[in-house]
Amino acid sequence: GAGVSQSPSNKVTEKGKDVELRCDPISGHTALYWYRQSLGQGLEFLIYFQGNSAPDKSGLPSDRFSAERTGGSVSTLTIQRTQQEDSAVYLCAARDRGRDGYTFGSGTRLTVV
Amino acid sequence: GQQLNQSPQSMFIQEGEDVSMNCTSSSIFNTWLWYKQDPGEGPVLLIALYKAGELTSNGRLTAQFGITRKDSFLNISASIPSDVGIYFCAGQCFASNYQLIWGAGTKLIIKP
Repeated sequence: GAGVSQSPSNKVTEKGKDVELRCDPISGHTALYWYRQSLGQGLEFLIYFQGNSAPDKSGLPSDRFSAERTGGSVSTLTIQRTQQEDSAVYLCAARDRGRDGYTFGSGTRLTVV
Repeated sequence: GQQLNQSPQSMFIQEGEDVSMNCTSSSIFNTWLWYKQDPGEGPVLLIALYKAGELTSNGRLTAQFGITRKDSFLNISASIPSDVGIYFCAGQCFASNYQLIWGAGTKLIIKP
């Protein structure tokens, strides 16, 4: 598609439940990033996928967080046993090979109650 | 992890005023980027800078890549209400496989 699509746009979940956040990047963009943004804060890097290479998971805050990217396209970020501190906006970004700018989705606002 | 120092953290200005914000780093970057984030949206690229000393304009926006490669500024002239949002700087070095290092953002608020 023309842009990066994220779903759902909003998600309210109970503490302890698992959630899945989806990112559908721009067709052909080989690099995909997940970021977390707490209210009024900057961007916290979570994970990075580049083509068929092993993902860079260095930003994942705990083993409750995982992500996969199937077929080099759609990515899913999974948070298990959600905690209140997981409440944030989760942003996905795609980058074309050799280009510098990222194209971001509108994010998923996760609220853990 | 590594982060850029972006200032100011927030700005309260009158419509029509000029705005200036900057980022500094202890590391050298090959590329500096400036993004704007509107409420409820992801950041959008405003300006990209590729050479030390480069000065680039995009409408009322002007950005410069510092000569030391460790800093950059963004100026907005004659601010208007739609300039409200959060502005992020981001730096990139070749060794990082195109990953960006982000500033913490500058929140721009225009006083009525």
